[in-house]
This record gives sequence, structure tokens and C-alpha cells, in this order.
Amino acid sequence: LAKTTQPISMDSYEGQEVNITCSHNNIATNDYITWYQQFPSQGPRFIIQGYKTKVTNEVASLFIPADRKSSTLSLPRVSLSDTAVYYCLVGDGYGGSQGNLIFGKGTKLSVKP
Amino acid sequence: AAGVIQSPRHLIKEKRETATLKCYPIPRHDTVYWYQQGPGQDPQFLISFYEKMQSDKGSIPDRFSAQQFSDYHSELNMSSLELGDSALYFCASNERNLGQGIYEQYFGPGTRLTVT
Repeated sequence: LAKTTQPISMDSYEGQEVNITCSHNNIATNDYITWYQQFPSQGPRFIIQGYKTKVTNEVASLFIPADRKSSTLSLPRVSLSDTAVYYCLVGDGYGGSQGNLIFGKGTKLSVKP
Repeated sequence: AAGVIQSPRHLIKEKRETATLKCYPIPRHDTVYWYQQGPGQDPQFLISFYEKMQSDKGSIPDRFSAQQFSDYHSELNMSSLELGDSALYFCASNERNLGQGIYEQYFGPGTRLTVT
């Protein structure tokens, strides 16, 4: 699994767009980029996964530049309930990988009123 | 929609006792993963099972063992408990057979184990 680096913490206010960037300089050709969200004392929740360009779902958007050495999770118009830790994971999600998630240090997002 | 079920939700044990945690994956999911999250720590992968066979092993102590049964539920057995085993234990599942991205896992609510 490629090593990832993301900010330890971020602050935002309700209604703002939040962008969390993750660096993964050693990403391999077959690697996918996956983001998880975790609320205190709850299990992580899958948010979004992508390989290149842009992926959007009902929760977030994921922007991946052409060199794929970084990715940005974009949360539109955050609310207090978006306060959580966000994890960026990079790895081969298909084929020979065993699939166990290697969580690094996530980004603790605090949304204020 | 059905979710991953874990039992018990809370467990208090004394040092050197044993504990058994249970996980019931989402129906039709064939792969189960176990993770441990200590206080203020990030989740750490312990072990996984695919079609009732051990698939991968992470930082699981030798005092711990696990298995997946014919109905796909899984149990994590922990013996000679230590204070440092106090943590949240999460089970996750997905359906690897149908090519579901193995990094898209569905987590249960966790079992909070306290060792005194």
C-alpha cells in the first residue's frame, strides 16, 4: 500500500466547502484512492473511491490530478454533523491484494456553527 | 438495509480472562475483517477471512484467534487478556466474490472491550 500524508486537523464553519488533500507520491499504477469517514466511537464509513479525474456521489467529490500523486476530498456545504476523522487510503482494490485497510493518521475535521 | 452486527456491544473483563467477540456480516457478504482501535488511535487491521478461510493476518497477537463459520459469521477469541487489549473492536464485511472493491468495506458498530 502506498503511504499517504494528510493534514492532522482542519477547522471549518457550517455551510462552507471543505477540501482535504492527501499526498501519495508512491502510488502504483493499479492503486485506487479511497476515503473513509469515522465519527467518535463508530466504525469507519466508506465515502468515495476513485482512480483518476473526478468522482462524485451524493456525499462528496474526489478530485485526482493526472499524475495521481495527490487527491482532494471535497465536502460541499458542511454541517456540524460532518465533524469527524477522514482517512485517505491508497491501494490495489482488486486482484491479488488482500484488502485489509491500512489506516494512517487521518484528518480531524471540526465544523463550527 | 441490513448492516454488520456485532455482539456484545460492551464487554468488561479482568486481566487474564478470555473474551469472545462475534460478528455477523451483511447477508451474502463472503469476507470478514477484524480491526482494533485503541483510545485515540487509528484502526489497526487484525485478521480477515474469505469464504471461511483465513485470508490475511495483520497485527493480531498470538493470544487472539479467529474463525469464520459456515454461515459466514465470525468470532474473535481473546485469551489471557491484558490491560492494553482495552479497545474498540470493529468487524467489517464485503462481497469479494462479485468483484466489489475490496477497499469498500462495511463496518459494524464495534465492541468496546474494557480490561480491568
